[in-house]
Amino acid sequence: SQQGEEDPQALSIQEGENATMNCSYKTSINNLQWYRQNSGRGLVHLILIRSNEREKHSGRLRVTLDTSKKSSSLLITASRAADTASYFCATVNQGGKLIFGQGTELSVKP
Amino acid sequence: EAGVVQSPRYKIIEKKQPVAFWCNPISGHNTLYWYLQNLGQGPELLIRYENEEAVDDSQLPKDRFSAERLKGVDSTLKIQPAELGDSAVYLCASSSRGTGTYNEQFFGPGTRLTVL
Repeated sequence: SQQGEEDPQALSIQEGENATMNCSYKTSINNLQWYRQNSGRGLVHLILIRSNEREKHSGRLRVTLDTSKKSSSLLITASRAADTASYFCATVNQGGKLIFGQGTELSVKP
Repeated sequence: EAGVVQSPRYKIIEKKQPVAFWCNPISGHNTLYWYLQNLGQGPELLIRYENEEAVDDSQLPKDRFSAERLKGVDSTLKIQPAELGDSAVYLCASSSRGTGTYNEQFFGPGTRLTVL
C-alpha cells in the first residue's frame, strides 16, 4: 500500500521555468523525503525534511512541509532539461518504514 | 565510494521458472532493503534487514519469495516459481547505522524482471 498521493501525475514545462510537485499523506510521520528517478535507473535521494521542520532548501530545490494538512511540496527553480525524471515523495513513519507515493513525471523541454 | 550493486540488470524467464537477484550494499551499511516497483508506481517494500536479521518481511509473499542476507552483507532475493504478475523492477537499497531507517536510503539500479 502506498501512503503518498502526488499531484500532478505528470508535468511538462519549458527550460528555465519553475516546477512544483505536491504530496499528501495520511498518517503521522517522522520525516518526509523526496527522491528522483531517471528512466531505467534507481532512485536518488534529494532532500529530507523532519516533521518539526517547515521548509528546507538544497541548491535549486525547496521543500515545504505542513503537518497540519499532511502535505509537502517540492519546488525546482530554473529547471533544466536534465531535471527530466520521475519525482517521488516518501514518508517515514514512527516505525521507520519508508512508504513511497506514485510519483510525478516531470518533463523539461529545452 | 561504490554505490549499491545489483545483478543481473535484466532477466527474462518463462513462468514457473525460478529466478534470483543479488545485491551488494554500500560498505558499512547495516540496513538493507528489497523493494518491488511496478511500472508507473513508487517502490513498495518487500523486506528489510538489520544486519542478518529480517526485521520487516510483512509484505513478502512467502509462498514463492524468499530472501537471505548471510554474514550481514550481500543479499539474495529469490522467486520460485515465477508468475506473470512478478514482472517488475526489483530494487535493493541500503542505509547506514545510527538513525538507520530514518535516514536517506541509497538505491541500486534495479533488476528488471520479465516473466513470459
